[in-house]
Amino acid sequence: DAKTTQPNSMESNEEEPVHLPCNHSTISGTDYIHWYRQLPSQGPEYVIHGLTSNVNNRMASLAIAEDRKSSTLILHRATLRDAAVYYCGHNNNDMRFGAGTRLTVKP
Amino acid sequence: NAGVTQTPKFQVLKTGQSMTLQCAQDMNHEYMSWYRQDPGMGLRLIHYSVGAGITDQGEVPNGYNVSRSTTEDFPLRLLSAAPSQTSVYFCASSSGSQPQHFGDGTRLSIL
Repeated sequence: DAKTTQPNSMESNEEEPVHLPCNHSTISGTDYIHWYRQLPSQGPEYVIHGLTSNVNNRMASLAIAEDRKSSTLILHRATLRDAAVYYCGHNNNDMRFGAGTRLTVKP
Repeated sequence: NAGVTQTPKFQVLKTGQSMTLQCAQDMNHEYMSWYRQDPGMGLRLIHYSVGAGITDQGEVPNGYNVSRSTTEDFPLRLLSAAPSQTSVYFCASSSGSQPQHFGDGTRLSIL
């Protein structure tokens, strides 16, 4: 079974970068790493995913360690709207998530 | 495209009752999954399917059955509801390595 761990919570100041870590101790060579976020009373929302190389999109960047046992979601300039619970996971067809990191953004 | 549609949005059951949560997707995705999210907790995988006629157990399968007779539909059945199954249930679908699309969830309370 996939084993994914994340810190329970993190805080950031508005307009500052945030680095959210995730450990993927059981990841296999073909598993993609995915990140989602969830706002209160909503379903999870896709943020970013990647296999080996670092990835960028309009929402965030994803840095993947060389051994792929860890990844970091990077929000370059946190806004109040980025306050959410962020989940990482891997595998494709049976995605199992970490317990999530609650990000608080302070004005 | 409607995406992933879950019905009902809310449901209250009595202990021992059975019911089926419906999930349908119109994106021709081969992968579908059911998750439960208890209050203040993360997402836990219940069952998943890699295609029509193929299902498998996730992290917390006890008390639930699934079937996948078509690509579009992936119903989740509670056999005999228990208060411990009070939760929000999310259905998701995906294709290949692409991101999962989640439904809006079904909020289930069991008295």
